[in-house]
Amino acid sequence: NAGVTQTPKFQVLKTGQSMTLQCAQDMNHEYMSWYRQDPGMGLRLIHYSVGAGITDQGEVPNGYNVSRSTTEDFPLRLLSAAPSQTSVYFCASSFSQGPYEQYFGPGTRLTVT
Amino acid sequence: DAKTTQPNSMESNEEEPVHLPCNHSTISGTDYIHWYRQLPSQGPEYVIHGLTSNVNNRMASLAIAEDRKSSTLILHRATLRDAAVYYCTRRGFGNEKLTFGTGTRLTIIP
Repeated sequence: NAGVTQTPKFQVLKTGQSMTLQCAQDMNHEYMSWYRQDPGMGLRLIHYSVGAGITDQGEVPNGYNVSRSTTEDFPLRLLSAAPSQTSVYFCASSFSQGPYEQYFGPGTRLTVT
Repeated sequence: DAKTTQPNSMESNEEEPVHLPCNHSTISGTDYIHWYRQLPSQGPEYVIHGLTSNVNNRMASLAIAEDRKSSTLILHRATLRDAAVYYCTRRGFGNEKLTFGTGTRLTIIP
């Protein structure tokens, strides 16, 4: 199993540009989520999904869109990048309907200039 | 959302036990207590979880207060590789959303 994979590892954007951060898992997990982590801070939940076709907002959803068309993939879209979105982004997945442990990807480091 | 409270930082000597506390006074009766840790420049990794009884695994032990308002993660013999930020959170049936606080930064002194 590859686990949770994220691409790209690093990205630099200019203000106003759009991009999609990719996340995939091969563990047949129903639950997937996106977090951002600013320097020296904890993780904040952006969006999450409990299954294909179902998404919901987390703590800091503004400026981000998600969709979940397959169980395996959960892309995060930045519509118009802003410097405040400079952060490290982590994707995670787990089985749903219970207290299952969550598996995290290695992260994408995004810089918006 | 029910919140958890942890000390910002702790220090421990290498090869000694470490007790990391967490308060979760508003946790619901069906939520499990989860612990994760984040090593420098890495994504978080799962450590342990439990509901009411104390739990052990190869990484750590989890001691849960009888009233479930607090818990303690126990690293029995800290090594330098245990230096990380440790997060306490909760998750359960019908409450899959997993949120994190700022965690406890654990420093291990050689």
